[in-house]
Amino acid sequence: AQSVSQHNHHVILSEAASLELGCNYSYGGTVNLFWYVQYPGQHLQLLLKYFSGDPLVKGIKGFEAEFIKSKFSFNLRKPSVQWSDTAEYFCAVNEFFGNEKLTFGTGTRLTIIP
Amino acid sequence: DTGVSQDPRHKITKRGQNVTFRCDPISEHNRLYWYRQTLGQGPEFLTYFQNEAQLEKSRLLSDRFSAERPKGSFSTLEIQRTEQGDSAMYLCASSFSAGATGTEAFFGQGTRLTVV
Repeated sequence: AQSVSQHNHHVILSEAASLELGCNYSYGGTVNLFWYVQYPGQHLQLLLKYFSGDPLVKGIKGFEAEFIKSKFSFNLRKPSVQWSDTAEYFCAVNEFFGNEKLTFGTGTRLTIIP
Repeated sequence: DTGVSQDPRHKITKRGQNVTFRCDPISEHNRLYWYRQTLGQGPEFLTYFQNEAQLEKSRLLSDRFSAERPKGSFSTLEIQRTEQGDSAMYLCASSFSAGATGTEAFFGQGTRLTVV
């Protein structure tokens, strides 16, 4: 069975600080990797995804993530955060050859202080 | 709004009552998923439809839960004899797949169920 670990439960940063949120997964086969964001009062939205190819993927709003296969990691980064990035961030995986059901981590709550 | 819509947004029910939630996916999407999210946790997979066929159910989905997707359009999730442990946010997601992997799932805003 797949599992996803997000080690940072709550991160507090000042505006313009750099961000890195950790995500590790456990699965023996090939996976697709995702980061979803949930802004306060809104639905889950896709930030970025990795299927194959360049392990450094860029998403919306200046976010990027790097897939490191040897470490089973898919960390999310942003060089300079804004107050509007305050949200909950979820890492998720699904099987490359499956029905695409997602296994999510427990989420990281990000608070940006103006 | 042409996204995934869920109804109702909030539901408060007494223990032992039955409840039904509805999900309207994005119209051209052939896959529909239900997830459950409790406080401090990420969403957990409940069940999945490809068109009208329910192809997978999680062990989280006890026999008090039933989901349908008649005609491959909207879906309903019914919980019978609700228990306090059923209190959660129930999320619906949809996607379109023509065999390719890694398609994006679009989520609704969820139905928050409180069992008192």
